[in-house]
Amino acid sequence: IAGITQAPTSQILAAGRRMTLRCTQDMRHNAMYWYRQDLGLGLRLIHYSNTAGTTGKGEVPDGYSVSRANTDDFPLTLASAVPSQTSVYFCASSDLASGADTQYFGPGTRLTVL
Amino acid sequence: GQNIDQPTEMTATEGAIVQINCTYQTSGFNGLFWYQQHAGEAPTFLSYNVLDGLEEKGRFSSFLSRSKGYSYLLLKELQMKDSASYLCAVKESNYQLIWGAGTKLIIKP
Repeated sequence: IAGITQAPTSQILAAGRRMTLRCTQDMRHNAMYWYRQDLGLGLRLIHYSNTAGTTGKGEVPDGYSVSRANTDDFPLTLASAVPSQTSVYFCASSDLASGADTQYFGPGTRLTVL
Repeated sequence: GQNIDQPTEMTATEGAIVQINCTYQTSGFNGLFWYQQHAGEAPTFLSYNVLDGLEEKGRFSSFLSRSKGYSYLLLKELQMKDSASYLCAVKESNYQLIWGAGTKLIIKP
């Protein structure tokens, strides 16, 4: 693994189904983030984690949950998917100890909820 | 409230220079980032400004004026591969990023 990986690359999901998007990083970054990107809008933060064992809510957390059991993994779960959750989801990570705290992104998951 | 404004779309000619502006109103300021995003791909880091002035990195430069809530990204010697969206993001007091909607740059030969 080099950097951040996400799985699946894309998914079509029936409304009401449960879905977990996976994110793994090998840079030993302490912070990780989940964003959604919709046409015409900026990236919006869903949830974040500043260190393993802690999570926080971002701008649009409703309908999503996360966990951070270890440094490398940060899965995002949709408990009961709805069509408005159709979006491209990006996971990112950063080193909070660095000056800029630059975020590095995974390749994204394109999710369609029907 | 929080707001980041960028032009939706710009067109420029190969070999020319283009300036993409970003204005912001946010809850505190701890730095401003520019990212490049090609269609269907992830955003990739271009530059970071936390102090006023110009930061130059090869063909790309980024400028910041904190008093004016203003930044620009300057791209020189444009190449076709520079066709992409350019995202401006501000790090707020809580260290979270607020993102602009991005500027789609179209390069014509």
